[in-house]
Amino acid sequence: DAKTTQPPSMDCAEGRAANLPCNHSTISGNEYVYWYRQIHSQGPQYIIHGLKNNETNEMASLIITEDRKSSTLILPHATLRDTAVYYCIVRSLYLGGATNKLIFGTGTLLAVQP
Amino acid sequence: ETGVTQSPTHLIKTRGQQVTLRCSSQSGHNTVSWYQQALGQGPQFIFQYYREEENGRGNFPPRFSGLQFPNYSSELNVNALELDDSALYLCASSSVRDSYNEQFFGPGTRLTVL
Repeated sequence: DAKTTQPPSMDCAEGRAANLPCNHSTISGNEYVYWYRQIHSQGPQYIIHGLKNNETNEMASLIITEDRKSSTLILPHATLRDTAVYYCIVRSLYLGGATNKLIFGTGTLLAVQP
Repeated sequence: ETGVTQSPTHLIKTRGQQVTLRCSSQSGHNTVSWYQQALGQGPQFIFQYYREEENGRGNFPPRFSGLQFPNYSSELNVNALELDDSALYLCASSSVRDSYNEQFFGPGTRLTVL
């Protein structure tokens, strides 16, 4: 699985959009970009994933560059409850019998300020 | 639908002791993965269980072992505890039928080794 690079920390004002970048320059054609977040002292929570098209769900939007070497997770209206560590993970789809593991880096600590 | 549960929530042991941590997977999930998260780090993959057998292992010594039961619940056993084993231990469940393999994490067990 390809390696990802994220800034260690970011601040965002409450109510504003939070844009979290991730570099994955060694991503291969069959690898997806996944985002998880971990609120303090809880287990990680799945947010969104994508291959090459932009994706949106009720939690966030994922923008993947055309060359797929980087992506941005967007929380459109950040709240204090969005304060968490956000992990960008690149991996291929699960194939039956293969090991279904996630390789976490150190992530980005997003601090939403009131 | 019940989520992933783990027990106990906190545990204190002394060096050299043995510990067993427990995980109940989310309803309908047949794969369980265990992760170790040291303070300030991202979770590190320990191993995965599928069909009651270990199906992939990270860089952890043999004193880390596990079991999966017919109801898909799982145990993580750690023998000869060391101070560096102090960490948050996370369990995640997923379904082999889900090729996007979204993993659902439990709240974790905080282990302190004195």
